Amino acid sequence: DIQMTQSPSTLSASVGDRVTITCRASQSIGSWLAWYQQKPGKAPKLLISEASSLESGVPSRFSGSGSETEFTLTIRSLQPDDFATYYCQQYNSYHTFGQGTTLDI
Amino acid sequence: EVQLVESGGGLVQPGGSLRLSCAASGFTLSSYDMNWVRQAPGKGLEWVSFISMTSVTTHYADSVEGRFTVSRDNAKSSLYLQMNSLRDDDTAVYYCARRPSGRGSDYWGQGTLVTVSS
Repeated sequence: DIQMTQSPSTLSASVGDRVTITCRASQSIGSWLAWYQQKPGKAPKLLISEASSLESGVPSRFSGSGSETEFTLTIRSLQPDDFATYYCQQYNSYHTFGQGTTLDI
Repeated sequence: EVQLVESGGGLVQPGGSLRLSCAASGFTLSSYDMNWVRQAPGKGLEWVSFISMTSVTTHYADSVEGRFTVSRDNAKSSLYLQMNSLRDDDTAVYYCARRPSGRGSDYWGQGTLVTVSS
């Protein structure tokens, strides 16, 4: 099974900051990686597919990069609405989520 | 408008069974693969099961393999998750999610809570 490891687990930042979340796969997954945002009590929201393809309606301050086993989600110029938990998910072989990164103020 | 609405959650004793349903509207269910994902209280997301458009392919997480069965009825625009031999650690909010080809899960239901407890 493919394991996904996210870091950091928690991240403290301020409005206007640039932050980066890393996701590592235990084996190559090509570019079959998605990023989600989840707020308390809500369903996850898909931000990025195929490692770097921004979903429709997602602000351009979100970007994704990487391939094979190393991936990053970058949020530049943090907005108040961005404070949430972020998950990576591989969908190359079955589906596996990372453990999540909580972004707080 | 795309909508996914889960139902069937509730309180069940360990060893019991429950069948979750997911009603899809606003799109043609038969054109999409689907996932079930769960989230235990205060914990992260855990993928549970996948079913392809025509039900030919199904996949399960190791934690539910042999106990859970995913199915769909495209004519009724519905997805199902039959859960047997339930354990305390199956307690979670269960989401159904649409999985377009080559992309992550783009639409999710609101979730239904399953509580396994004596």
